[in-house]
Amino acid sequence: EAGVVQSPRYKIIEKKQPVAFWCNPISGHNTLYWYLQNLGQGPELLIRYENEEAVDDSQLPKDRFSAERLKGVDSTLKIQPAELGDSAVYLCASSLGLDEQFFGPGTRLTVL
Amino acid sequence: GDSVTQMEGPVTLSEEAFLTINCTYTATGYPSLFWYVQYPGEGLQLLLKATKADDKGSNKGFEATYRKETTSFHLEKGSVQVSDSAVYFCALSKASSTLGRLYFGRGTQLTVWP
Repeated sequence: EAGVVQSPRYKIIEKKQPVAFWCNPISGHNTLYWYLQNLGQGPELLIRYENEEAVDDSQLPKDRFSAERLKGVDSTLKIQPAELGDSAVYLCASSLGLDEQFFGPGTRLTVL
Repeated sequence: GDSVTQMEGPVTLSEEAFLTINCTYTATGYPSLFWYVQYPGEGLQLLLKATKADDKGSNKGFEATYRKETTSFHLEKGSVQVSDSAVYFCALSKASSTLGRLYFGRGTQLTVWP
C-alpha cells in the first residue's frame, strides 16, 4: 500500500514569491494534517482536515498561508508571499479518523 | 499549555549499548503519549504509544512506560543496533477540542557506531 505522497520534495524560491505544496494521503484516510517543522524542532500542526472541512486551523498564519482539500482527498498548502522565516520542512500526515497518523517524507522549503 | 520536553541530543552510542532518551510532559487531563522515529530521508513513523497511566508501549525492542506521577515517558532499549540511528520524537495528544493534534518534543538524534 502506498504511503502519504508529497511533492515537491525540495523547493528553493526567492522571498516574496508564492509556493505551493501538494499532498496525497493514504487511500481511505479521511483525516489530513499539515505540520511545520523548523530546523532542530519537532513538528507543529498548521491545519487538520476531516474530509473537506478544516476542523483545526488555529495555528495557520492566515495572512499568507492558505490550504484546501477539494473532494476530501488531495490537499494543497500555499504560501503567498513567502518570507525568509518560512524556510522549513512541511509535513503532511493522514489518518483514519483519529487513529495513528502516517507521515509523508515532507517538502523542504528554502527561501532566499 | 500542553508541551513535551525531551533530553538534548545528539546521543552517540556503541552497538549493543543501553539507550535511554528522557521525555517529560505538561498537560491537563489524561493525554496519550507517543514515540515517533524518523530515519534519514523518510517520514516520521510511530514507534510505540501508551494511552493511560502505567501502560507500557513496546516495539522493535524499544519500551516506554507512562508514568503519571513523574509526568514522564522515557524511551529505553537494552541493546541498540546501527540500524537504530535516527531522530526520535516524543509526543502527546489529548482528548479535548484539539483531539488529533500531536504536540512534539524537539527530537533527539541518535547515532550508533559499530
